[in-house]
Amino acid sequence: GQNIDQPTEMTATEGAIVQINCTYQTSGFNGLFWYQQHAGEAPTFLSYNVLDGLEEKGRFSSFLSRSKGYSYLLLKELQMKDSASYLCAVRDSNYQLIWGAGTKLIIKP
Amino acid sequence: IAGITQAPTSQILAAGRRMTLRCTQDMRHNAMYWYRQDLGLGLRLIHYSNTAGTTGKGEVPDGYSVSRANTDDFPLTLASAVPSQTSVYFCASSDSDGSGTQYFGPGTRLLVL
Repeated sequence: GQNIDQPTEMTATEGAIVQINCTYQTSGFNGLFWYQQHAGEAPTFLSYNVLDGLEEKGRFSSFLSRSKGYSYLLLKELQMKDSASYLCAVRDSNYQLIWGAGTKLIIKP
Repeated sequence: IAGITQAPTSQILAAGRRMTLRCTQDMRHNAMYWYRQDLGLGLRLIHYSNTAGTTGKGEVPDGYSVSRANTDDFPLTLASAVPSQTSVYFCASSDSDGSGTQYFGPGTRLLVL
């Protein structure tokens, strides 16, 4: 079967750095996405990785290792507004997205 | 409009009733999707459409139907609602080019009693 694993919840301190991991087992791989979802709102696109390595976008970076079935989202200089759920999704061989359950990130002052 | 709109924002529905959730996008995206999101679970694909005039079944299609008469609109119909269809429903769209990133509407919160 297809499976995306992420930690259920993480806590970090304002101004610090946090890494959210995602491991996947899917039928085929055609890219990995990270989305941010604030409570009661829709998911919004953060990053896309299709090749191995690090993609940096401001305070957020995303890393992919296809051989290990592994990705992480790195958030630097955490702000209170970063409190949200972070969703990992993999596009499979049918070009459909398989979603993880999301990681709820709690930022403390 | 800019992006994707969904209607209604929320709805309380008696079991057995028919309900259509509306979704409209103005980005001229070819592909559109319907997901449901339940606590503790990832987004699950109900139905999708790769282009106007075509539709396909996702992971959890039972009890739902869709149509895609034109590029902009992708309504989702619950023929006879059941309590297990209580969920938050998100519509999304994506372009065929590039990464095919999906962009989401604001969601419809549905409670079936």
